[in-house]
Amino acid sequence: GESVGLHLPTLSVQEGDNSIINCAYSNSASDYFIWYKQESGKGPQFIIDIRSNMDKRQGQRVTVLLNKTVKHLSLQIAATQPGDSAVYFCAEKALGMDSSYKLIFGSGTRLLVRP
Amino acid sequence: DAGITQSPRHKVTETGTPVTLRCHQTENHRYMYWYRQDPGHGLRLIHYSYGVKDTDKGEVSDGYSVSRSKTEDFLLTLESATSSQTSVYFCAVTPGAANTEAFFGQGTRLTVV
Repeated sequence: GESVGLHLPTLSVQEGDNSIINCAYSNSASDYFIWYKQESGKGPQFIIDIRSNMDKRQGQRVTVLLNKTVKHLSLQIAATQPGDSAVYFCAEKALGMDSSYKLIFGSGTRLLVRP
Repeated sequence: DAGITQSPRHKVTETGTPVTLRCHQTENHRYMYWYRQDPGHGLRLIHYSYGVKDTDKGEVSDGYSVSRSKTEDFLLTLESATSSQTSVYFCAVTPGAANTEAFFGQGTRLTVV
């Protein structure tokens, strides 16, 4: 697979600690916000989404928080593991032509997990 | 992986030449997307399709055109490649408008010299 040498903000955490990755969004009309994970040499993979009328959603070891007042989205990863090392993108599902939807991605954060 | 195949996987081309990238899927998903990924910019949407012959522009559509004449194929064409179009291109698919989980291809590394 392909990879890109992304110059991204980096979050470094100790294995076993919790991680919090943040994202600011601009489009208040988006009806879903989503987190994706991209490992080196691969395409992004879906982690979790949250509908715009919710403020919290939990998955397996992950929690997404949505603060619409300040247009802020966060991803919390509990008990971070080496396999969590990757680039994380927030994305939004925005309205396009003919009532279609498009996925718009943010710029990403690199998570490094220290053993 | 939703049966997504991107071709070619790597390409080097000269400035001013036309280039077509192909995305093929086997799951009959309705939505298909083309993104480019560059250092410092993450993933940027070029064009997307929400059905056969139905396409819309994304954030960085200038210099690119797309076509979707059948459900399984979504073509991205650079009419006259420029060095600024050197990038890694990803195709993605989603089953429909209600879905937020996109499945990505392995990417195509395009170098314009």
